[in-house]
Amino acid sequence: KNQVEQSPQSLIILEGKNCTLQCNYTVSPFSNLRWYKQDTGRGPVSLTIMTFSENTKSNGRYTATLDADTKQSSLHITASQLSDSASYICVVSEAQKLVFGQGTRLTINP
Amino acid sequence: DVKVTQSSRYLVKRTGEKVFLECVQDMDHENMFWYRQDPGLGLRLIYFSYDVKMKEKGDIPEGYSVSREKKERFSLILESASTNQTSMYLCASSFTGTGNYGYTFGSGTRLTVV
Repeated sequence: KNQVEQSPQSLIILEGKNCTLQCNYTVSPFSNLRWYKQDTGRGPVSLTIMTFSENTKSNGRYTATLDADTKQSSLHITASQLSDSASYICVVSEAQKLVFGQGTRLTINP
Repeated sequence: DVKVTQSSRYLVKRTGEKVFLECVQDMDHENMFWYRQDPGLGLRLIYFSYDVKMKEKGDIPEGYSVSREKKERFSLILESASTNQTSMYLCASSFTGTGNYGYTFGSGTRLTVV
C-alpha cells in the first residue's frame, strides 16, 4: 500500500478558478512534507516544505496546509493560470528517505 | 540557487548498449540520488549515495549501477540497455541529516531504448 496517497488523480478547471489538491499519508516517523510542481518533461520543482509543527505555508498563489494529527495535507491554488498546468507531487520525508505520492495531473483550460 | 545538472535532456540508445547518465550538483551536497519516473508508477529510487565512493541500493537497482568518484558528480550506468529501461531519469541532491533539506531535482533525462 502506498504510504502517500493523492487525490484526485487528475483535475481540469477553467483559468481563474481556485482548486485544492489532497494528500494523505501514513509515513512514520515524519520529518517534513513537501509539495512539488512538475511540468511535462521536466524535473520536479519545490513549492513548499512544512515540518510537523507548521500548519500552513504559502508561496505566491500556492498555499499548503498540514494536519499532522490526521496526517493530511492540501495544496490550494488561487486564481489559476494556464502555467499552473502540471503534475503536483506530495512527498513525505521519513528520516533519510523520501516517500512520493503518485501525483495529481492538473489541467487549466482557457 | 542550487543547480543539479543532467548532461542530456533526451537520449536514444540501442538495446545492449552501455549507457551513462551524468549528474552534477554545485552546492556541495553530501547526498545524491537517481530515480526513474514512469506513468502510473511515480518516482522510484534506483540508487543513492551519502558520500564519495559510497553507494546504496534503492527500491529498483536491478540492471543499473552507479559511480561517485567526486562529491559533485553521480553517474548512473545501464550496463546493457533494454527496452524496459525506457523512462524519464531524474537526479537529485540534498544536504545530509534527517529531513533531506535542500532536496533539489535536475531537469531530467528522457531515455528511449530501441
